[in-house]
Amino acid sequence: EPEVTQTPSHQVTQMGQEVILRCVPISNHLYFYWYRQILGQKVEFLVSFYNNEISEKSEIFDDQFSVERPDGSNFTLKIRSTKLEDSAMYFCASSAGTGRGTGELFFGEGSRLTVL
Amino acid sequence: DAKTTQPPSMDCAEGRAANLPCNHSTISGNEYVYWYRQIHSQGPQYIIHGLKNNETNEMASLIITEDRKSSTLILPHATLRDTAVYYCIVRANNYGQNFVFGPGTRLSVLP
Repeated sequence: EPEVTQTPSHQVTQMGQEVILRCVPISNHLYFYWYRQILGQKVEFLVSFYNNEISEKSEIFDDQFSVERPDGSNFTLKIRSTKLEDSAMYFCASSAGTGRGTGELFFGEGSRLTVL
Repeated sequence: DAKTTQPPSMDCAEGRAANLPCNHSTISGNEYVYWYRQIHSQGPQYIIHGLKNNETNEMASLIITEDRKSSTLILPHATLRDTAVYYCIVRANNYGQNFVFGPGTRLSVLP
């Protein structure tokens, strides 16, 4: 069964460093998302991406965050200068955009970011 | 999107049916009811969704009341692996629209 894959599974970084989290969405999906979950808290929406541009973003997704689809398969989340409060599990998700289906999201297993 | 209300936690005996309720009294006519679950810290997993008819798949059944103001997710024979946080989300059927996750119901399946 096709799945969303994410790398790295865990990254430890120093405050102020740049981090790039990578995702390979399901191959025929057209919509891509990043969510995050701070330990013990809710799953929070960050950004959605379609047709090579951001379609929606939350208040969390400020100028320190950016997303990119550098090639036909990868979808990345970059945090330019990490803060302690960026420590969280980051989930990538994708959804189909054509044909049958109602837009349900398929999530990856997550990348745990620890900022020291 | 309409808001949902779920009990914070529930217990269920292994092998019995788990019935997880969800209230969504402000649901709009074009909004679907989706259920996801999150096992430990894994990524949320899609379970089932429906508009107004009851739905069943290999994982669960979804019962939606006639007025659509509430629904119940049924896991017919709960196993220990069904221990998870279950999220009820109402959302219009639009590609690209994000899902808003609430606190969900923490289901504990007990041996």
